[in-house]
Amino acid sequence: DTAVSQTPKYLVTQMGNDKSIKCEQNLGHDTMYWYKQDSKKFLKIMFSYNNKELIINETVPNRFSPKSPDKAHLNLHINSLELGDSAVYFCASSQMGQGADTQYFGPGTRLTVL
Amino acid sequence: DAKTTQPPSMDCAEGRAANLPCNHSTISGNEYVYWYRQIHSQGPQYIIHGLKNNETNEMASLIITEDRKSSTLILPHATLRDTAVYYCIVTFSGTYKYIFGTGTRLKVLA
Repeated sequence: DTAVSQTPKYLVTQMGNDKSIKCEQNLGHDTMYWYKQDSKKFLKIMFSYNNKELIINETVPNRFSPKSPDKAHLNLHINSLELGDSAVYFCASSQMGQGADTQYFGPGTRLTVL
Repeated sequence: DAKTTQPPSMDCAEGRAANLPCNHSTISGNEYVYWYRQIHSQGPQYIIHGLKNNETNEMASLIITEDRKSSTLILPHATLRDTAVYYCIVTFSGTYKYIFGTGTRLKVLA
């Protein structure tokens, strides 16, 4: 079983459309994340959720709205897609605790906006 | 900004040890050193982490200097499948994010 899974793997859409990316983890973790990797390969945190509560929103445009229906799922909805949204989006999860909290990443969703 | 500095690229002969350095001179006492790698455009893969002591697992060894200002990831017998971008990250529990730098692109040569 895949620990952190994302759907779809590829997403091609037109500017102005609304799309969603789904993420699920079966590790029993309480914290989930969305990262964005742009064309220059920089990986940057977008959002962090702990026990379904938003903890971090790293100055992401409000066209991006994460939703966590339960601790195992974190979805990303994007409104009015723009060309600059083209990137690979990675979901991750970890278990908060004392000391280190290792994050485990999904395979990524490659979004292409035309 | 990332708190780590890594060389942009390195080559290693197949079967030899790959030693990837990382500087983290501003690391604080409760921050861990993590290593991940990203093969092509796959999701970052966890390799190893440590706080003060050297660590070893089935994938690699992590050597942290006594002052904790730098570390080295060692892949003991590099294979072609180890060709990837390797990221060194420092973080402590409760930050709810990793700050990735530009990493080191390791190329294992046949």
